[in-house]
Amino acid sequence: TQLLEQSPQFLSIQEGENLTVYCNSSSVFSSLQWYRQEPGEGPVLLVTVVTGGEVKKLKRLTFQFGDARKDSSLHITAAQTGDTGLYLCAGARQGAQKLVFGQGTRLTINP
Amino acid sequence: GAVVSQHPSRVICKSGTSVKIECRSLDFQATTMFWYRQFPKQSLMLMATSNEGSKATYEQGVEKDKFLINHASLTLSTLTVTSAHPEDSSFYICSAFTGTGVRGYTFGSGTRLTVV
Repeated sequence: TQLLEQSPQFLSIQEGENLTVYCNSSSVFSSLQWYRQEPGEGPVLLVTVVTGGEVKKLKRLTFQFGDARKDSSLHITAAQTGDTGLYLCAGARQGAQKLVFGQGTRLTINP
Repeated sequence: GAVVSQHPSRVICKSGTSVKIECRSLDFQATTMFWYRQFPKQSLMLMATSNEGSKATYEQGVEKDKFLINHASLTLSTLTVTSAHPEDSSFYICSAFTGTGVRGYTFGSGTRLTVV
């Protein structure tokens, strides 16, 4: 079973539309991170959330950590073609160092 | 700061040979590093946790004798794919736990292994 369930796994929308990606678990995480990965490269950190209920904004991207620290969401407003890529959520469980990843969301923004 | 260098970025090897991938922390000491494998169009799958000066901890289903991990210093972890077969072809990525602040983890740029 997947520790972190990420959805949707594939998303194709038009430029200018909004979208939300979800990352859910039955486990509590000390922190959750969102990454973006380009083909042939390692993942690049977008944001880390550590406090239940926390909301962080990065330009048109809004990240939220659930109150119980079991889930997170990524919302993109007015998507642009440059947002196309693989988005990954990852978390470290309480008391553990290892980072486990969700299945990823392959996002395509069409012009 | 907190840069991880992974080498090589691409490698092609023949079936039956062994390949070593290096992961170096350039400006910090990493007592813990992680090795991931990524299949095309899929997410990262944790293979093992590499601890400096001790044996690696492997995830369930990962063959210890196939994927040898050595973390002999605070700045270097190596992954050796032994007796490689075409099914070992994949994208391998290392990560170092910085342990400081909320960033916590720094990733290498990955190694594309092709076994022919």
